Amino acid sequence: AQSVTQLDSQVPVFEEAPVELRCNYSSSVSVYLFWYVQYPNQGLQLLLKYLSGSTLVKGINGFEAEFNKSQTSFHLRKPSVHISDTAEYFCAAGKTSYDKVIFGPGTSLSVIP
Amino acid sequence: DAGITQSPRHKVTETGTPVTLRCHQTENHRYMYWYRQDPGHGLRLIHYSYGVKDTDKGEVSDGYSVSRSKTEDFLLTLESATSSQTSVYFCAISESGDNHGYTFGSGTRLTVV
Repeated sequence: AQSVTQLDSQVPVFEEAPVELRCNYSSSVSVYLFWYVQYPNQGLQLLLKYLSGSTLVKGINGFEAEFNKSQTSFHLRKPSVHISDTAEYFCAAGKTSYDKVIFGPGTSLSVIP
Repeated sequence: DAGITQSPRHKVTETGTPVTLRCHQTENHRYMYWYRQDPGHGLRLIHYSYGVKDTDKGEVSDGYSVSRSKTEDFLLTLESATSSQTSVYFCAISESGDNHGYTFGSGTRLTVV
């Protein structure tokens, strides 16, 4: 069965430092991969998505993610974080275009001034 | 906003009572979804719809039912609320299925006492 793992439940990082949030998925076939962000008391917002093509995907707010098929990973990165990046981040994966996506448990990013 | 609203935003109800949550969209999107969000579990799919009167179960559908009589409205009913259904419920919409990502509503916080 498809599953999504986010290895870190909480990630504290100082302002202007780089950050990487890790995501691994289980699949033996092609996948669709997503990162969503949830700010406090809000719904989820799509940050970026990988459907096919270039393995480096750029999203909103300066975030990017790299699809690594051999390691079944889709880690999210940002070279310099801001206080406003403090939020919950969810990785999600779908096996085919008609499968329901599966969400990971989330990573809470806290940016420290 | 993306044209998706959930009502009510907050509700407290007693064990054993029926509860209906409403999701309304103005985007004319075909696909609609109900998720619940609980700490440590990320988002789990309850039910989804791929058109008027076309619905199907997700991974945690027990105790829930849905209806979609119009494109714009997707109702989630807790037939007899239990304390385990205390959660935050999110509705999501998608224009063309899962591989393009979802737009989420702001959520309904339901407390069953």
